[in-house]
Amino acid sequence: AQKITQTQPGMFVQEKEAVTLDCTYDTSDPSYGLFWYKQPSSGEMIFLIYQGSYDQQNATEGRYSLNFQKARKSANLVISASQLGDSAMYFCAMRGTMEYGNKLVFGAGTILRVKS
Amino acid sequence: DAGVIQSPRHEVTEMGQEVTLRCKPISGHNSLFWYRQTMMRGLELLIYFNNNVPIDDSGMPEDRFSAKMPNASFSTLKIQPSEPRDSAVYFCASSLLNYLSRDTGELFFGEGSRLTVL
Repeated sequence: AQKITQTQPGMFVQEKEAVTLDCTYDTSDPSYGLFWYKQPSSGEMIFLIYQGSYDQQNATEGRYSLNFQKARKSANLVISASQLGDSAMYFCAMRGTMEYGNKLVFGAGTILRVKS
Repeated sequence: DAGVIQSPRHEVTEMGQEVTLRCKPISGHNSLFWYRQTMMRGLELLIYFNNNVPIDDSGMPEDRFSAKMPNASFSTLKIQPSEPRDSAVYFCASSLLNYLSRDTGELFFGEGSRLTVL
C-alpha cells in the first residue's frame, strides 16, 4: 500500500540555521508526485513545494528545497535560513496515478520549532 | 481569487444530532477531497471526487458518514448521527488534475471546519 513515513515527531532549529525534515515513501506506482505542506498553529494548510517522480532536478521554492533521492525513496525538505515564522507542523504527502488514483496521502507530520 | 470555502468554521453539537459540513471548491477545479484531522490519527482522506463523481470512499469511517457533490461548485459531508469520536477538524480541498500536462495537481485547502460533538 501507499505509505508516507516521517520519522521525526519534532525538531528544533536555531534561527538562521538550515534544517532538514525527513520523508520516505513507498509506492509501486511508476509515476507520482511528492508534496510538502506547512500547517501553522492557526490551522490552515499551506502548500510549499512539489517534486514529480520524473523530474531530473530537485525542486526549489525560495528558502525551501526538496532533496529527492528516488532510489532511496526519500523526499526530504530542506529549509534554509530558518525564521521564527517557520515554526509549524510540516507534512510530506504523495500522490500517485495508476495505483492510487489522484488522492493525496499524508505522513504523520513533523513539528518544527525555531529558537531565537 | 476566492479559495476553497468551507462552512461552518466551528460547529458544536450534541451526540446524536445531524451535522452537515459544506464546501465550495475553487472554480475550474475538477477534483475535490474531504480530509479529517485529529491528534491521534493525523490527516485522513475520507473521500474524493473527480468531475463530481465519487472515486474512492474507502476512508469514510462508517455508514453514519455520507458525502455528495451535486455540482462542480458544491459538496457536503454529512454525519448522522454524530458521536463524540467524530470531533475533529474537517478539511475540504480541491485541485485541477490534468494527466496530459505537467500540472502538479496541488491541493488547495479550505480553512477547515472544527467539529465538537458533546
